[in-house]
Parts: sequence; structure tokens; C-alpha cells
Amino acid sequence: EVQLVQSGAEVKKPGESLKISCKGSGYSFSSFWIGWVRQMPGKGLEWMGIIYPGDSDTRYSPSFQGQVTISADKSITTAYLQWSSLKASDTAMYYCARRVEGAAAPYDYWGQGTLVTVSS
Amino acid sequence: QSVLTQPPSVSAAPGQKVTISCSGSTSNIGNNSVSWYQQPPGAAPKLLIYDNTKRPSGIPDRFSGSKSGTSATLGITGLQTGDEADYYCGTWDGGLNGVVFGGGTRLTVL
Repeated sequence: EVQLVQSGAEVKKPGESLKISCKGSGYSFSSFWIGWVRQMPGKGLEWMGIIYPGDSDTRYSPSFQGQVTISADKSITTAYLQWSSLKASDTAMYYCARRVEGAAAPYDYWGQGTLVTVSS
Repeated sequence: QSVLTQPPSVSAAPGQKVTISCSGSTSNIGNNSVSWYQQPPGAAPKLLIYDNTKRPSGIPDRFSGSKSGTSATLGITGLQTGDEADYYCGTWDGGLNGVVFGGGTRLTVL
């Protein structure tokens, strides 16, 4: 069974750093892209970027380039999303999702989401 | 303001049919396949339709998708209260070089 299990909710202060994770199982982790999607409170889905764990090829949405870092460790089948200096506006639910080959390919499995709250 | 345009809400009675539209442009829907996602309240999104018309295993045939030009449509027949959710269309945008989603449509089954 394909599963993406994300790390738990986080409460952080502005300026702090954070790294959240997404562990894949039940499939060949290295062979599928993993994307990250932001959902701010009461808002829609926003694509942040994507990584291919097989070779760590990473692409970012222009809106998130330079704001976050996406990485992966295929040896432990885990993808990451990290911030070096959080802002209150980073408060959101973050989802990881698996994608097959092809830029317009669908995201067929999703993690349960990680809620990040940034507040002083 | 989302790149893909969806109606904010739709509603219908149990057993009825509803359609949700998704309007884009040649840089996105016009040249790429569309997917649809269902997000029940408090839950993660779930793939409902891919490649404009295909259903993943386990998705009932009450759900259907179509695409024409720069627009796509999700259809749901035999509405059930369990279908109440937010529905999002998504595709690749070659001009923006990224995935774009619609703003989401909230379905209420009256």
C-alpha cells in the first residue's frame, strides 16, 4: 500500500528555522517525484515545488523560489521541506504528494498534511 | 487570484447532478491534461480525475471529467451527502513553469 506519512504539527516563532518531513512507503521511492503544496487557512492549494528523489533534481514555483528548500534522502525514503527564517505568513497546512512522470501528471497519493503555525 | 477559474460554490439535492467548471488559457488547460481533486473538510486532497477524463481505481463512475479547448468540467451524478467537499482542478502552466490550481469549489448537498 502506497503511503506518504508527514511529520507532526509545529508551532514556531518568527525567525526560527524548520524542517518538515514526508516519508514514503509501499512503492519505489526513488522513481516518483514528490511535490509540496501549501494551503493557507481557509484558502486554496498552491504548488510550491517538486523533487525527484532518484537524483535530487528539484524545481520550484517562482513564488516560492528562495523562500524554502526542498530536499530528499532516498536511503530513508523521506522528502523534506525547510525554512531558514519563518514568517507569520508561513502559517499554513503543507502537503506532500507523489507524482508520476510528466509535468502535467497527476498527484496520485497525498500525505495527511503538516500544520505549521508561526506566531510570536 | 487563481490562474484557473472555478465557481466558489455549487449546490444540489441528494440524487441530483452537478457540474463544476474550470477555465484557463492556452498556457495551461489548452495544452496540458487536467486533474481534479476532492478535499473533504479537514482532510487531505484526493485524486478524483486525471488526464482530463480518467478515474483512478476506486473512484466511482458517478464522477466524470471532460475538457474542451481551455476549459474543463467535473461532473458528479447521484449526489450523496458524503460528496460534500472542496473540489480543485489542476494542471501544468508552461508560461509560469509550474503547477496551477483553481481556487476551489465548495459543493453543498442540500
